[in-house]
Amino acid sequence: QVHLVQSGAEMKKPGAPVKISCKASGYSFSNFPIHWVRQAPGEKFEWLGWINGGIGDVKYSEKFQGRVTITRDTGATTVYMDLTGLTSEDTAVYYCARQGSGGVFDSWGQGTLVTVSS
Amino acid sequence: EIVLTQSPATLSLSPGERATLSCRASESVAGSLAWYQQKPGQAPRVLISASSRRAAGIPPRFSGSGSGTDFTLTISSLEPEDSAVYFCQQRGGRPLFTFGQGTKLEIK
Repeated sequence: QVHLVQSGAEMKKPGAPVKISCKASGYSFSNFPIHWVRQAPGEKFEWLGWINGGIGDVKYSEKFQGRVTITRDTGATTVYMDLTGLTSEDTAVYYCARQGSGGVFDSWGQGTLVTVSS
Repeated sequence: EIVLTQSPATLSLSPGERATLSCRASESVAGSLAWYQQKPGQAPRVLISASSRRAAGIPPRFSGSGSGTDFTLTISSLEPEDSAVYFCQQRGGRPLFTFGQGTKLEIK
């Protein structure tokens, strides 16, 4: 059974960075990409980027290029998402999601609330 | 950016009725359109991939159709547990993935 378990809620001040983890289990970690998406209050989901679990290549949304870094630790079957230069507009629930067949997100983490406030 | 616009924003129906949800893309998405269901406090769950392929474990009352820029999610006979927000997602273009704003389905 596929499980993605994310780290807990974060409270950050403007300008600070945040790092969220996503621990994967129940499947072959190297065979599936992991994506990061977020949902701000009352807004659509936004895609931040993805990482290939095997060779570790990454692709980021142009909107977040330069602020987001996605890495993985294959031994720990964990993916990390770093977001720097936080503003109040980054307040959102951040999700990791596994890309399955057909290119859809077939398993999701439980979400991590990041609140940016002075 | 491929913009996905969903309608209606809210839908209120009774158990047993049929629900029809629309997702319109600003340009052709070549069939790479998925539908998700999200209940309060939960992560989304994939219902449909590639416009019409039902995901594993999804009841047959859920069906998807459409191509190009116009897509539809149909729930043939509503159950109380279908109360949720439904959103569409496309793959392709830049950014690679974009999402609709969602349709809130209320079961009376």
